[in-house]
Amino acid sequence: SQKIEQNSEALNIQEGKTATLTCNYTNYSPAYLQWYRQDPGRGPVFLLLIRENEKEKRKERLKVTFDTTLKQSLFHITASQPADSATYLCALALHSGAGSYQLTFGKGTKLSVIP
Amino acid sequence: EPEVTQTPSHQVTQMGQEVILRCVPISNHLYFYWYRQILGQKVEFLVSFYNNEISEKSEIFDDQFSVERPDGSNFTLKIRSTKLEDSAMYFCASSEAGQPQHFGDGTRLSIL
Repeated sequence: SQKIEQNSEALNIQEGKTATLTCNYTNYSPAYLQWYRQDPGRGPVFLLLIRENEKEKRKERLKVTFDTTLKQSLFHITASQPADSATYLCALALHSGAGSYQLTFGKGTKLSVIP
Repeated sequence: EPEVTQTPSHQVTQMGQEVILRCVPISNHLYFYWYRQILGQKVEFLVSFYNNEISEKSEIFDDQFSVERPDGSNFTLKIRSTKLEDSAMYFCASSEAGQPQHFGDGTRLSIL
């Protein structure tokens, strides 16, 4: 069966440290993978996209890796701040015809950065 | 920065009634999507829409659901006869071809 799993439901980390979130999947062949941030009562906010032929992407304090052999993506936030506290969602993009892609989401990891 | 806007932010409806959720996607985007998130659960795909027709739909998107782009700016989701289990946050998203999907802040639908 197809599964997408994010390693933990909740992660607490000290301010200034690097947070590492994991996304594993089975029986999918995604065209690309995206990471989103979701705050309570709000919609997902796009952070980073990484394609199947890319190993690593960076944006400011964020870094994502994508290993299609291991079927795993790692999402890192360096020098974490309390404002980074949110739920982070991994989403696989599956081609659904005519250039559109349906996103299959993980349950998310709730990150709390402690001052 | 351009954004996806959704109205209303909260909709309360009696079971069996019809409801229409509205979205204004980002103006130069051509691909449109609806997702839902039941409280405490993950975001689930409902339907994708391109060139005035449905590209893909999930098992959730049964005959009670329909989508429409009635003019050049709006994208709507209609639920014909609502059920209690339709209570959820409904998110609209839009994108350019092969580019990230950008989401609105959702409509909270409560069925009584």
